[in-house]
Amino acid sequence: EPEVTQTPSHQVTQMGQEVILRCVPISNHLYFYWYRQILGQKVEFLVSFYNNEISEKSEIFDDQFSVERPDGSNFTLKIRSTKLEDSAMYFCASSDSLEQETQYFGPGTRLLVL
Amino acid sequence: AQTVTQSQPEMSVQEAETVTLSCTYDTSESDYYLFWYKQPPSRQMILVIRQEAYKQQNATENRFSVNFQKAAKSFSLKISDSQLGDAAMYFCALITGANNLFFGTGTRLTVIP
Repeated sequence: EPEVTQTPSHQVTQMGQEVILRCVPISNHLYFYWYRQILGQKVEFLVSFYNNEISEKSEIFDDQFSVERPDGSNFTLKIRSTKLEDSAMYFCASSDSLEQETQYFGPGTRLLVL
Repeated sequence: AQTVTQSQPEMSVQEAETVTLSCTYDTSESDYYLFWYKQPPSRQMILVIRQEAYKQQNATENRFSVNFQKAAKSFSLKISDSQLGDAAMYFCALITGANNLFFGTGTRLTVIP
């Protein structure tokens, strides 16, 4: 069964450093999303992406964040200058055009900012 | 604005028994979908079940079923014949036309052998 994959599974970085989180959505999916979950809290929406542009973004998704689909398979989330409060689990999700509302999640990247 | 409320931070169930997890939501949209996601200790988010708001029939997936009460804005998950592998955090989620999921705070389910 097709799955969303994410790399790396864990990332430790120093405050102020740039990180890039990578995702490979399910191959025939057209809609892509990033969510984050701070430890012990609920999952929060960051951004959605369709047709090579951002469809919607939350207040969390400020100028420090950017997303890109650099090729036909990868979908990346970049955090330019990480802050301590960026430590969280970051989930990528994707959905197809027939059931756009049903999002399938990757296993997540656990980001720790020191 | 959309909100999802899970009032049970923790629940426990004996193996092979049935448990019901509660969820209420609020939205002014008429077209929406509801979901239950499971998050085991590995922290992956796994889709358990989905319900279209326009359908009156409650969704069922094997041992998992929902009780969707649209007027009351209630969407509970029933797990029958609970298994040890069902132990996880369960998140209720709502999506409307904006297509981003709104999650509840989760219910941690413990299955007692």
